[in-house]
Amino acid sequence: AQSVSQHNHHVILSEAASLELGCNYSYGGTVNLFWYVQYPGQHLQLLLKYFSGDPLVKGIKGFEAEFIKSKFSFNLRKPSVQWSDTAEYFCAVNAISNTGKLIFGQGTTLQVKP
Amino acid sequence: EAGVAQSPRYKIIEKRQSVAFWCNPISGHATLYWYQQILGQGPKLLIQFQNNGVVDDSQLPKDRFSAERLKGVDSTLKIQPAKLEDSAVYLCASSPPLGRSEKLFFGSGTQLSVL
Repeated sequence: AQSVSQHNHHVILSEAASLELGCNYSYGGTVNLFWYVQYPGQHLQLLLKYFSGDPLVKGIKGFEAEFIKSKFSFNLRKPSVQWSDTAEYFCAVNAISNTGKLIFGQGTTLQVKP
Repeated sequence: EAGVAQSPRYKIIEKRQSVAFWCNPISGHATLYWYQQILGQGPKLLIQFQNNGVVDDSQLPKDRFSAERLKGVDSTLKIQPAKLEDSAVYLCASSPPLGRSEKLFFGSGTQLSVL
């Protein structure tokens, strides 16, 4: 069965610090990979996605993620965080053979101190 | 563009009572999902509809949960009877008909508290 693991449950950073959130998945086949974000009081929204091609994908608000197939990882990065990045971040995986069914990780709460 | 609409926003019930949630997806979105998000966990898929047919309900506790999507548009999710462990946020999402989960659009969710 597919599963997604996010290593950090709660991260606290100061503004301008660099961010990297880990995400690993377990599935042997071809996958689509996603990062979703939920800002306080708002609904979940797509941050970025990987389907194929360049394993380094760029999303909104300066976020990027790198797909490393050999490590089954899809880590999220941002060089310099802002207070407005405070949110909960979810990694999600969809097996190509299982269109539509997203498996989410447990989420990482990011708190950025001004 | 109007988003995914859900109601109610909050619901408090006692255990063994029944409750229903409503979702109106984005117009034209053929696929509709219900997710359960327990505090401190990621969303878990309960059921997926393609138009008015069920694609996946493998994680739906069918002894107490039911869902329908009549006419392939609006959907309702019902719990009867509710248990304490059903306390969670119930999220509805929809996606365009091209599939591949290119982008799910989520509603704001219904926060259910079972006392």
